[in-house]
Amino acid sequence: GESVGLHLPTLSVQEGDNSIINCAYSNSASDYFIWYKQESGKGPQFIIDIRSNMDKRQGQRVTVLLNKTVKHLSLQIAATQPGDSAVYFCAEVKGLGFQKLVFGTGTRLLVSP
Amino acid sequence: GAVVSQHPSWVICKSGTSVKIECRSLDFQATTMFWYRQFPKQSLMLMATSNEGSKATYEQGVEKDKFLINHASLTLSTLTVTSAHPEDSSFYICSARPTGLGNQPQHFGDGTRLSIL
Repeated sequence: GESVGLHLPTLSVQEGDNSIINCAYSNSASDYFIWYKQESGKGPQFIIDIRSNMDKRQGQRVTVLLNKTVKHLSLQIAATQPGDSAVYFCAEVKGLGFQKLVFGTGTRLLVSP
Repeated sequence: GAVVSQHPSWVICKSGTSVKIECRSLDFQATTMFWYRQFPKQSLMLMATSNEGSKATYEQGVEKDKFLINHASLTLSTLTVTSAHPEDSSFYICSARPTGLGNQPQHFGDGTRLSIL
């Protein structure tokens, strides 16, 4: 069936390092992807999104890369800070009208000072 | 802007009780709201799509008579877990999509942790 999954459940980095979180998706028909950050006990927070007609999109300290050939998505966080510690989810958007989200399994990012 | 508020944030109740969770969009209108459930260390699973003024659309495997959804206004959707049992204990999260032109991202509430004894 359709799924959106992540390669690594936990990623530990040192403060100041760059972090890369990966995501694989299986539905090649999807045309929109979003990365969310979820801190403990809170709801997901939008980080950055990308449409399928793009390969790369940059935000503040974050970059999302999309490789449609291998159906792979990644989130790069530059100069990772302790405040970046959270669980990161990629989500696949189905249905442009209602934005029905299919979430991946999540990666926990642990940033050590 | 784009704040979504959930209430209560945490509820503990006895088995057999019905529990109502509210989801409000505070500074925007939302024709469509979504309800998710998240078990510990797992991802969010969409339960249902709530549409203002019409019936909710439930995902496969979600009992509509168990999880009652009402979306009576453009700023409020409620989820009622009827006759809750311990297996219903979970983190329930709502999101709201601003009404308007174009594809706008969903904004999430901070969830309701439901514990059934």
